[in-house]
Amino acid sequence: ETGVTQTPRHLVMGMTNKKSLKCEQHLGHNAMYWYKQSAKKPLELMFVYNFKEQTENNSVPSRFSPECPNSSHLFLHLHTLQPEDSALYLCASSQSGQGFSEAFFGQGTRLTVV
Amino acid sequence: KQEVTQIPAALSVPEGENLVLNCSFTDSAIYNLQWFRQDPGKGLTSLLLIQSSQREQTSGRLNASLDKSSGRSTLYIAASQPGDSATYLCAVLLTGNQFYFGTGTSLTVIP
Repeated sequence: ETGVTQTPRHLVMGMTNKKSLKCEQHLGHNAMYWYKQSAKKPLELMFVYNFKEQTENNSVPSRFSPECPNSSHLFLHLHTLQPEDSALYLCASSQSGQGFSEAFFGQGTRLTVV
Repeated sequence: KQEVTQIPAALSVPEGENLVLNCSFTDSAIYNLQWFRQDPGKGLTSLLLIQSSQREQTSGRLNASLDKSSGRSTLYIAASQPGDSATYLCAVLLTGNQFYFGTGTSLTVIP
């Protein structure tokens, strides 16, 4: 248990569906992240939120829409995805500011787009 | 742009051997470097964090070193066990809370 919880663990969706991934952290951190992990590729940073404000959008297509209502929760809203979006989506949190801390990751959501 | 490289991509060793995993990065202006372990289909588990001002960190059978000037880190695993089989990832933290990851080393420890 890392203190970062992601739901659901597995998701299969059609290209016309709308779904959301959820991430919750219980570590009191102020920064949260979404990463995409595809086979044989390094983890790709998608979004960074600091104190609920988005500070990084790594050229992610608009069919991925993040939401951070508070410092403990992070969502990734999905719509009209493509099969190449199938991947493991990982959420992480850390404490930014003085003394950068460790990043802690959730178990991920395995997304399959059919 | 920061590039992180891990060598080797895959490693297979008999149980009990000591081994070294390598990580190199192109931009030495890092805040910290973190080593992770990932089991198949799972998330990342933090193993060791080295701040930029530190040279090494130890946890049990694991020892990680950092040479910022040369852009290198190593993860040393002593007396390897089958349970150590996993993919090991290193990540460097730059400004803006951006972690850059390597592609990982897939380790298999043979009983």
